[in-house]
Amino acid sequence: QLQLQESGPGLVKPSETLSLTCTVSGGSISSSSYYWGWIRQPPGKGLEWIGSIYYSGSTYYNPSLKSRVTISVDTSKNQFSLKLSSVTAADTAVYYCARSLSGHPLDYWGQGTLVTVSS
Amino acid sequence: QLVLTQSPSASASLGASVKLTCTLSSGHSSYAIAWHQQQPEKGPRYLMKLNSDGSHSKGDGIPDRFSGSSSGAERYLTISSLQSEDEADYYCQTWGTGSWVFGGGTKLTVL
Repeated sequence: QLQLQESGPGLVKPSETLSLTCTVSGGSISSSSYYWGWIRQPPGKGLEWIGSIYYSGSTYYNPSLKSRVTISVDTSKNQFSLKLSSVTAADTAVYYCARSLSGHPLDYWGQGTLVTVSS
Repeated sequence: QLVLTQSPSASASLGASVKLTCTLSSGHSSYAIAWHQQQPEKGPRYLMKLNSDGSHSKGDGIPDRFSGSSSGAERYLTISSLQSEDEADYYCQTWGTGSWVFGGGTKLTVL
């Protein structure tokens, strides 16, 4: 059974960089045709796609966040990561990692991690 | 632009059935979608993939009470024999090359 687990600081100061890691177990992050991505949910609000990385290394970002987002993969650790720079209070949210097969919907989610931006 | 539209809220009585709607934006009526459930204070859970012809495939362990159907640009999630644990937010989701798109979610209240 595939499992995804987010990890990283729960508190980030304004203007700094938010860094999160998603550890994948029960499957290989290098498996062909899979996308691995990040989604966030501000308190009391809906889901927002942040960006994704394909198994080949191609990256795709939400245009509204593109200038601040970097997603990368570490195949040796079976992990992928999110960096969001120049954060503000508006970036306070629960951050989820997730997976989809190309041409198919998200089928596995992490449990989520709350990141608060505050001084 | 690919947009998914959902009603913000719905309600139905315990033991009854409810049908939630997700509408695809103009020009995208052939797209498949997925339904996800988010119970209070929990992360989302994948329910099913729903194709434009109404065929659907459910995730592991999803009860038979959950079913999907389609009509034109509309995609439906029907939950029958409502139980208290079905009170949750339901999100539809679709995808492009590398991108994921979410509807705004429907909050279902079980009366």
